[in-house]
Amino acid sequence: SYELTQPPSVSVSPGQTARITCSGDALPKQYAYWYQQKPGQAPVLVIYKDSERPSGIPERFSGSSSGTTVTLTISGVQAEDEADYYCQSADSSGTYRGVVFGGGTKLTVL
Amino acid sequence: QVQLVQSGAEVKKPGASVKVSCKASGYTFTGYYMHWVRQAPGQGLEWMGWINPNSGGTNYAQKFQGRVTMTRDTSISTAYMELSRLRSDDTAVYYCARGPPVVVVATYFDYWGQGTLVTVSS
Repeated sequence: SYELTQPPSVSVSPGQTARITCSGDALPKQYAYWYQQKPGQAPVLVIYKDSERPSGIPERFSGSSSGTTVTLTISGVQAEDEADYYCQSADSSGTYRGVVFGGGTKLTVL
Repeated sequence: QVQLVQSGAEVKKPGASVKVSCKASGYTFTGYYMHWVRQAPGQGLEWMGWINPNSGGTNYAQKFQGRVTMTRDTSISTAYMELSRLRSDDTAVYYCARGPPVVVVATYFDYWGQGTLVTVSS
Protein backbone atom coordinates (compact mmCIF):
# COMPACT_ATOMS: atom_id res chain seq x y z
CA SER A 1 0.00 0.00 0.00
CA TYR A 2 1.03 3.59 -0.58
CA GLU A 3 2.88 5.31 2.28
CA LEU A 4 4.01 8.79 3.25
CA THR A 5 7.16 8.88 5.38
CA GLN A 6 7.84 11.54 8.02
CA PRO A 7 10.57 11.78 10.68
CA PRO A 8 9.15 10.86 14.09
CA SER A 9 10.49 13.98 15.76
CA VAL A 10 12.06 17.36 15.15
CA SER A 11 13.43 19.69 17.82
CA VAL A 12 14.24 23.39 17.53
CA SER A 13 14.86 26.33 19.82
CA PRO A 14 12.45 29.28 19.87
CA GLY A 15 13.07 31.68 17.01
CA GLN A 16 14.80 29.08 14.85
CA THR A 17 13.44 27.46 11.69
CA ALA A 18 11.84 24.02 11.79
CA ARG A 19 11.63 21.87 8.68
CA ILE A 20 9.48 18.75 8.57
CA THR A 21 9.73 16.51 5.53
CA CYS A 22 7.28 14.05 4.01
CA SER A 23 8.29 11.60 1.29
CA GLY A 24 6.12 9.58 -1.07
CA ASP A 25 6.43 8.25 -4.59
CA ALA A 26 3.19 9.85 -5.78
CA LEU A 27 3.91 13.33 -4.43
CA PRO A 28 5.13 14.64 -7.81
CA LYS A 29 1.60 13.91 -9.11
CA GLN A 30 -0.55 14.62 -6.06
CA TYR A 31 -0.87 17.67 -3.85
CA ALA A 32 0.19 17.45 -0.23
CA TYR A 33 -1.59 18.92 2.76
CA TRP A 34 -0.32 19.57 6.29
CA TYR A 35 -2.17 19.45 9.60
CA GLN A 36 -1.18 20.61 13.08
CA GLN A 37 -2.57 18.71 16.06
CA LYS A 38 -2.12 19.80 19.65
CA PRO A 39 -2.82 17.38 22.55
CA GLY A 40 -6.51 16.71 23.05
CA GLN A 41 -7.52 18.76 20.02
CA ALA A 42 -8.67 18.02 16.49
CA PRO A 43 -6.20 18.57 13.65
CA VAL A 44 -6.03 21.96 11.92
CA LEU A 45 -5.17 22.44 8.25
CA VAL A 46 -2.08 24.66 8.01
CA ILE A 47 -0.96 24.15 4.38
CA TYR A 48 -2.94 22.99 1.33
CA LYS A 49 -1.95 22.23 -2.25
CA ASP A 50 1.73 21.90 -1.26
CA SER A 51 2.29 25.57 -0.43
CA GLU A 52 -0.94 27.49 0.06
CA ARG A 53 -1.81 28.84 3.48
CA PRO A 54 -5.43 28.95 4.71
CA SER A 55 -6.72 32.20 6.10
CA GLY A 56 -5.91 32.61 9.76
CA ILE A 57 -2.71 30.57 9.61
CA PRO A 58 0.38 32.65 10.54
CA GLU A 59 2.79 33.60 7.76
CA ARG A 60 5.61 31.73 9.49
CA PHE A 61 4.06 28.50 8.17
CA SER A 62 5.05 27.67 4.59
CA GLY A 63 5.21 24.63 2.34
CA SER A 64 7.31 23.53 -0.59
CA SER A 65 7.67 20.57 -2.91
CA SER A 66 10.60 19.00 -4.70
CA GLY A 67 10.28 15.67 -6.46
CA THR A 68 9.04 12.99 -4.09
CA THR A 69 9.45 15.17 -0.98
CA VAL A 70 7.34 17.95 0.44
CA THR A 71 8.47 20.14 3.30
CA LEU A 72 6.64 22.11 5.96
CA THR A 73 8.74 25.04 7.16
CA ILE A 74 8.00 27.01 10.31
CA SER A 75 10.10 30.16 10.48
CA GLY A 76 10.70 31.85 13.82
CA VAL A 77 9.25 28.95 15.78
CA GLN A 78 7.21 29.89 18.84
CA ALA A 79 6.41 27.81 21.89
CA GLU A 80 2.79 27.54 20.74
CA ASP A 81 3.94 25.68 17.60
CA GLU A 82 4.85 22.62 19.65
CA ALA A 83 2.50 19.96 18.29
CA ASP A 84 2.23 16.89 16.07
CA TYR A 85 2.29 17.57 12.35
CA TYR A 86 0.83 15.24 9.71
CA CYS A 87 1.20 15.31 5.95
CA GLN A 88 -1.62 13.93 3.80
CA SER A 89 -2.17 13.20 0.14
CA ALA A 90 -4.35 11.17 -2.18
CA ASP A 91 -3.42 7.59 -2.83
CA SER A 92 -1.01 6.87 -5.61
CA SER A 93 -3.70 5.98 -8.14
CA GLY A 94 -4.81 9.59 -8.30
CA THR A 95 -8.43 8.71 -8.82
CA TYR A 96 -9.61 10.24 -5.54
CA ARG A 97 -10.32 6.78 -4.29
CA GLY A 98 -8.27 6.96 -1.13
CA VAL A 99 -6.46 9.15 1.36
CA VAL A 100 -3.17 8.52 3.08
CA PHE A 101 -1.56 10.24 6.07
CA GLY A 102 2.07 10.29 7.06
CA GLY A 103 2.93 8.82 10.44
CA GLY A 104 3.25 12.24 12.04
CA THR A 105 6.15 14.31 13.37
CA LYS A 106 6.32 15.60 16.91
CA LEU A 107 7.76 19.11 16.94
CA THR A 108 9.44 19.96 20.23
CA VAL A 109 10.32 23.57 21.02
CA LEU A 110 13.31 23.43 23.33
CA GLN B 1 -19.17 29.86 10.79
CA VAL B 2 -18.65 26.23 9.84
CA GLN B 3 -19.18 23.82 12.72
CA LEU B 4 -19.16 20.04 12.96
CA VAL B 5 -20.58 18.76 16.25
CA GLN B 6 -20.23 15.07 17.02
CA SER B 7 -22.11 12.79 19.37
CA GLY B 8 -20.74 11.83 22.76
CA ALA B 9 -18.35 9.14 23.92
CA GLU B 10 -19.35 5.49 23.67
CA VAL B 11 -18.31 2.31 25.45
CA LYS B 12 -19.00 -0.91 23.57
CA LYS B 13 -18.30 -4.59 24.01
CA PRO B 14 -16.34 -6.58 21.43
CA GLY B 15 -18.57 -7.71 18.60
CA ALA B 16 -21.04 -4.85 19.01
CA SER B 17 -21.63 -1.92 16.66
CA VAL B 18 -21.30 1.83 17.20
CA LYS B 19 -22.90 4.71 15.31
CA VAL B 20 -21.38 8.17 15.56
CA SER B 21 -23.16 11.29 14.32
CA CYS B 22 -21.78 14.56 12.98
CA LYS B 23 -24.10 17.56 12.71
CA ALA B 24 -22.96 20.23 10.28
CA SER B 25 -23.86 23.90 10.33
CA GLY B 26 -22.69 27.14 8.75
CA TYR B 27 -22.51 25.84 5.18
CA THR B 28 -24.49 23.90 2.57
CA PHE B 29 -24.27 20.33 3.87
CA THR B 30 -24.89 18.71 0.48
CA GLY B 31 -22.16 20.74 -1.19
CA TYR B 32 -19.11 19.18 0.43
CA TYR B 33 -17.76 15.67 0.97
CA MET B 34 -17.73 14.41 4.53
CA HIS B 35 -14.87 12.16 5.62
CA TRP B 36 -14.26 10.05 8.71
CA VAL B 37 -10.80 9.75 10.26
CA ARG B 38 -9.84 7.89 13.42
CA GLN B 39 -6.92 8.08 15.83
CA ALA B 40 -6.04 5.30 18.25
CA PRO B 41 -4.53 6.36 21.60
CA GLY B 42 -1.03 7.73 21.05
CA GLN B 43 -1.15 6.88 17.35
CA GLY B 44 -1.47 8.75 14.06
CA LEU B 45 -4.42 9.62 11.87
CA GLU B 46 -6.15 6.90 9.85
CA TRP B 47 -8.60 7.67 7.05
CA MET B 48 -11.76 5.54 6.99
CA GLY B 49 -13.73 6.84 4.01
CA TRP B 50 -16.04 9.52 2.68
CA ILE B 51 -19.66 10.14 1.82
CA ASN B 52 -21.02 12.52 -0.78
CA PRO B 53 -23.94 14.06 1.14
CA ASN B 54 -25.60 15.11 -2.10
CA SER B 55 -25.78 11.71 -3.79
CA GLY B 56 -25.21 9.43 -0.80
CA GLY B 57 -22.31 7.81 -2.64
CA THR B 58 -19.54 6.41 -0.48
CA ASN B 59 -15.94 5.30 -0.71
CA TYR B 60 -14.41 3.26 2.10
CA ALA B 61 -10.79 2.48 2.87
CA GLN B 62 -10.04 -1.11 2.01
CA LYS B 63 -9.24 -1.89 5.64
CA PHE B 64 -12.81 -1.10 6.70
CA GLN B 65 -14.72 -2.55 3.75
CA GLY B 66 -17.55 -4.73 5.02
CA ARG B 67 -17.49 -3.26 8.54
CA VAL B 68 -18.17 0.45 8.02
CA THR B 69 -21.29 2.17 6.74
CA MET B 70 -21.51 5.92 6.15
CA THR B 71 -24.90 7.54 5.75
CA ARG B 72 -26.46 10.96 5.95
CA ASP B 73 -29.75 12.70 6.69
CA THR B 74 -29.89 15.84 4.59
CA SER B 75 -33.01 17.09 6.39
CA ILE B 76 -30.96 17.65 9.55
CA SER B 77 -27.51 18.15 7.94
CA THR B 78 -26.08 15.17 9.77
CA ALA B 79 -23.64 12.49 8.71
CA TYR B 80 -23.28 9.11 10.40
CA MET B 81 -20.54 6.51 10.63
CA GLU B 82 -21.40 3.03 11.83
CA LEU B 83 -18.68 0.49 12.57
CA SER B 84 -19.67 -3.10 13.23
CA ARG B 85 -18.01 -6.18 14.74
CA LEU B 86 -15.97 -4.00 17.04
CA ARG B 87 -12.61 -5.20 18.37
CA SER B 88 -10.41 -3.83 21.11
CA ASP B 89 -8.11 -2.26 18.51
CA ASP B 90 -11.03 -0.15 17.28
CA THR B 91 -10.67 1.90 20.47
CA ALA B 92 -9.98 5.37 19.13
CA VAL B 93 -11.17 8.93 18.72
CA TYR B 94 -13.33 9.14 15.61
CA TYR B 95 -13.46 12.45 13.74
CA CYS B 96 -15.70 13.69 10.99
CA ALA B 97 -13.95 16.14 8.70
CA ARG B 98 -15.28 18.26 5.86
CA GLY B 99 -13.70 17.62 2.50
CA PRO B 100 -13.69 19.76 -0.63
CA PRO B 101 -16.79 20.73 -2.62
CA VAL B 102 -18.36 17.74 -4.32
CA VAL B 103 -17.55 19.22 -7.72
CA VAL B 104 -13.82 19.27 -6.93
CA VAL B 105 -11.51 16.31 -7.36
CA ALA B 106 -9.25 16.80 -4.38
CA THR B 107 -8.52 15.37 -0.98
CA TYR B 108 -8.19 17.53 2.08
CA PHE B 109 -10.00 18.39 5.30
CA ASP B 110 -10.64 22.02 6.17
CA TYR B 111 -12.95 21.63 9.18
CA TRP B 112 -13.01 18.88 11.79
CA GLY B 113 -15.46 17.78 14.43
CA GLN B 114 -14.37 17.68 18.06
CA GLY B 115 -13.95 13.92 17.98
CA THR B 116 -15.84 11.05 19.61
CA LEU B 117 -14.02 8.57 21.83
CA VAL B 118 -15.14 5.01 21.24
CA THR B 119 -13.86 2.51 23.79
CA VAL B 120 -14.17 -1.19 23.05
CA SER B 121 -13.78 -3.29 26.17
CA SER B 122 -15.25 -6.41 27.66
